Amino acid sequence: AQTVTQSQPEMSVQEAETVTLSCTYDTSESDYYLFWYKQPPSRQMILVIRQEAYKQQNATENRFSVNFQKAAKSFSLKISDSQLGDAAMYFCAYRNRDDKIIFGKGTRLHILP
Amino acid sequence: DTAVSQTPKYLVTQMGNDKSIKCEQNLGHDTMYWYKQDSKKFLKIMFSYNNKELIINETVPNRFSPKSPDKAHLNLHINSLELGDSAVYFCASSFSGGAVGANVLTFGAGSRLTVL
Repeated sequence: AQTVTQSQPEMSVQEAETVTLSCTYDTSESDYYLFWYKQPPSRQMILVIRQEAYKQQNATENRFSVNFQKAAKSFSLKISDSQLGDAAMYFCAYRNRDDKIIFGKGTRLHILP
Repeated sequence: DTAVSQTPKYLVTQMGNDKSIKCEQNLGHDTMYWYKQDSKKFLKIMFSYNNKELIINETVPNRFSPKSPDKAHLNLHINSLELGDSAVYFCASSFSGGAVGANVLTFGAGSRLTVL
C-alpha cells in the first residue's frame, strides 16, 4: 500500500523568506500524481500545486514550486517570498491509478511578521 | 457558483442518534469521495464513488453508509453515533482518467460533527 510521510509537523518562516516543506512517499507504481493542498484556519482545502509523475519538469505556480525527485520518491514544496496569508496546514497527497488519494499527516506552517 | 457543497456545516448530536450529511457537486465530475479529518488533522479516505458505483471502501464501521443517487450527489448516513465519530467530514469530487485537470480533488467546506 502507498504511504505519504511528512516529517515536519510544524515549521516557521519569517515573512518574505523562503521555506521548504518535505514530503516522501512509498509506492511500486510508475504512473501517479502528487499534490500539495493547503488548509487555512477557514478549514477549506485548497489545491496549491500538482505534479504528474511522468513529467520530469518540476511544477511551479507563482511563488510555489516543487522539487520532484522520482527515484528518491521525494516531493518537496518551496514557498518563496512567504506572506502572512500562507499560514496554514499543508498536506502532501498521492493519487494512485485506482483514483485513491492518500494524504500525509500535514505540516503546520507559521509565518512570522 | 460551481462548487462542492455540503450540508450541514455543523452538526451536534447525542450518542446513539442517526444523522446524515449531504453532498452535491455541479462541476460535472464523475468521482466523489468522503474523507474524515480527526482532531489531529489527519485526513483519511472513507469512500469513493465513480458514476454512482462504489469503488473505494476503506475499513470503516458499517454504521457508515454512503449513498449516491446520481453522480452529482454523495450522501453519508451514520447510524448509532459514537463519541469517536466526532470529526470534520469532507466531501470531494474529481474527474477520473488522464485528461488535463483530471485527478485534482475539489473539496467541500467540510461538516463538523460533534457527538456528545
